[in-house]
Amino acid sequence: GAVVSQHPSWVICKSGTSVKIECRSLDFQATTMFWYRQFPKQSLMLMATSNEGSKATYEQGVEKDKFLINHASLTLSTLTVTSAHPEDSSFYICSARQSGGGYGYTFGSGTRLTVV
Amino acid sequence: AQTVTQSQPEMSVQEAETVTLSCTYDTSENNYYLFWYKQPPSRQMILVIRQEAYKQQNATENRFSVNFQKAAKSFSLKISDSQLGDTAMYFCAFMKPFNSGGSNYKLTFGKGTLLTVNP
Repeated sequence: GAVVSQHPSWVICKSGTSVKIECRSLDFQATTMFWYRQFPKQSLMLMATSNEGSKATYEQGVEKDKFLINHASLTLSTLTVTSAHPEDSSFYICSARQSGGGYGYTFGSGTRLTVV
Repeated sequence: AQTVTQSQPEMSVQEAETVTLSCTYDTSENNYYLFWYKQPPSRQMILVIRQEAYKQQNATENRFSVNFQKAAKSFSLKISDSQLGDTAMYFCAFMKPFNSGGSNYKLTFGKGTLLTVNP
């Protein structure tokens, strides 16, 4: 079955530094990938939609300059949290839609970011 | 904009019993897709079941089935013979097709229902 690998699974960084999270589709091509943020005991909040080879589409209220998304290939999308602050601490999840795969999505296992 | 409402923040059920999780949604679309996802303590999102709105027949996947009432905009999940491994957060989600306003396959999630299966 379709597998999405997300790395790292957890990361601790110092305030002011940048952190990159990778999302890879291992056995399929993903034309569209989604990045979510999830606070404890809450639902998934869509941050942005990334399409291979084009600029990401950000949801209202999400800072484009803070959360940089790159979808350079059909199997890789990255989310970079720039100049991280403690309020950026959260659980980040990516999901990928298979090109020509109907309406199926596969989620990564998530990344727990802690900014100290 | 679409909204998805899960009115039960938490539920519990005894092992081997049946439980139903509620979900309602609001949309002006005629064709769309509905999903139930499970998020266990590992936090990995797992697709439980999917329903296409144009299909009148309710979807079933082993112990999981849905009651899809299109007119009422209701999409409940029934779990039969509950197992300890069913303990998780369950999210109802809505998606409208790509050709409907350029939604680009976005999922809209409800707030979730935390289900605990007791031994």
